[in-house]
Amino acid sequence: NAGVTQTPKFQVLKTGQSMTLQCAQDMNHNSMYWYRQDPGMGLRLIYYSASEGTTDKGEVPNGYNVSRLNKREFSLRLESAAPSQTSVYFCASSTYEQYFGPGTRLTVT
Amino acid sequence: GQQVMQIPQYQHVQEGEDFTTYCNSSTTLSNIQWYKQRPGGHPVFLIQLVKSGEVKKQKRLTFQFGEAKKNSSLHITATQTTDVGTYFCARYNNDMRFGAGTRLTVKP
Repeated sequence: NAGVTQTPKFQVLKTGQSMTLQCAQDMNHNSMYWYRQDPGMGLRLIYYSASEGTTDKGEVPNGYNVSRLNKREFSLRLESAAPSQTSVYFCASSTYEQYFGPGTRLTVT
Repeated sequence: GQQVMQIPQYQHVQEGEDFTTYCNSSTTLSNIQWYKQRPGGHPVFLIQLVKSGEVKKQKRLTFQFGEAKKNSSLHITATQTTDVGTYFCARYNNDMRFGAGTRLTVKP
């Protein structure tokens, strides 16, 4: 029982490059979330998916897209990375309490 | 959306001292959750409060939800070095909104 897994753990991109962050959960949760965490800013919700087949914008969706591939997997895509997207990204799944993955540390140069 | 404000941003205490962090909202909350994040780690769920005036305890941690359901607090009695980390409050309503967190450091 792995909980919530995220890949990759670290990534360095150049401005304008694209990438997809992967997230999977094995707890049969309906809801999944993507957050970014910047120093002093807490966790800010990018997108969430309340159930398979649905996605909704959070606080800071600009520059990101998501796909709820199936009940287990929820991916986050950066189409054209910008230095402002340098952050730590967390995926979470939940019934009501959130279970977080280990995070992806992304640097955009 | 509903925002939750958290104070203080930082708190440095001597081991054995008490610690309190506060979470406030301008609107009535249906619930409040608390999480702890150790340095370099990911947030871990501590507790959820849903009832007006609710008080819950976990060992040295006491959680309160205000009577008007617009504020909450987390109090740690006699802090230990293992309490170091950032404590977040959050409200759940399909989406999630986290406070900015209170970073606790403990001097042995």
